[in-house]
Amino acid sequence: GDSVTQMEGPVTLSEEAFLTINCTYTATGYPSLFWYVQYPGEGLQLLLKATKADDKGSNKGFEATYRKETTSFHLEKGSVQVSDSAVYFCALSDGTGFQKLVFGTGTRLLVSP
Amino acid sequence: DAGITQSPRHKVTETGTPVTLRCHQTENHRYMYWYRQDPGHGLRLIHYSYGVKDTDKGEVSDGYSVSRSKTEDFLLTLESATSSQTSVYFCAISTGTSRATDTQYFGPGTRLTVL
Repeated sequence: GDSVTQMEGPVTLSEEAFLTINCTYTATGYPSLFWYVQYPGEGLQLLLKATKADDKGSNKGFEATYRKETTSFHLEKGSVQVSDSAVYFCALSDGTGFQKLVFGTGTRLLVSP
Repeated sequence: DAGITQSPRHKVTETGTPVTLRCHQTENHRYMYWYRQDPGHGLRLIHYSYGVKDTDKGEVSDGYSVSRSKTEDFLLTLESATSSQTSVYFCAISTGTSRATDTQYFGPGTRLTVL
């Protein structure tokens, strides 16, 4: 079945450092791809999405490009802030029409001043 | 936040007791989902609904049942709770009807502890 693999965390960075969180996927169809963020004690919030190959999703300085040839959707940000500390989840929508999501295990990001 | 509420927000119960969690939405979306979140597993789909009285199983449905008698409410029931069902439960709705618009929005979660 479909699956999503994320890099293990935690990722520990200093403020203003460059961030990359790797995400690769396995899917039989043509999924949509998502990054969700979960701040401490809260639910998940959509960060960005891409629905077809070569699409770039972006939001709040974060970007990710849908790479069909490498089945990847890596999350990047040029300069992280302490407020970006959270758990980041990569996910795909299986494209069956019921829009079910398959999640990666999550990557915790810790940003220090 | 797509008008999603979950109740209760926290619950502690004992093994063998029935538990029902409620998800309520205010915007009439067709698709609703229940996920559980556990360390090392991310979120996993328990059940989903694509309309009133239309539900189906997800990846980890054993020990859970659901009902949707009204568009706005999606109930998750643990018939006889076990310690392995200690988790954080999230409800979600989908706002789209096509791949181009499929985005899920999540409720605040219910933390369930089974002793």
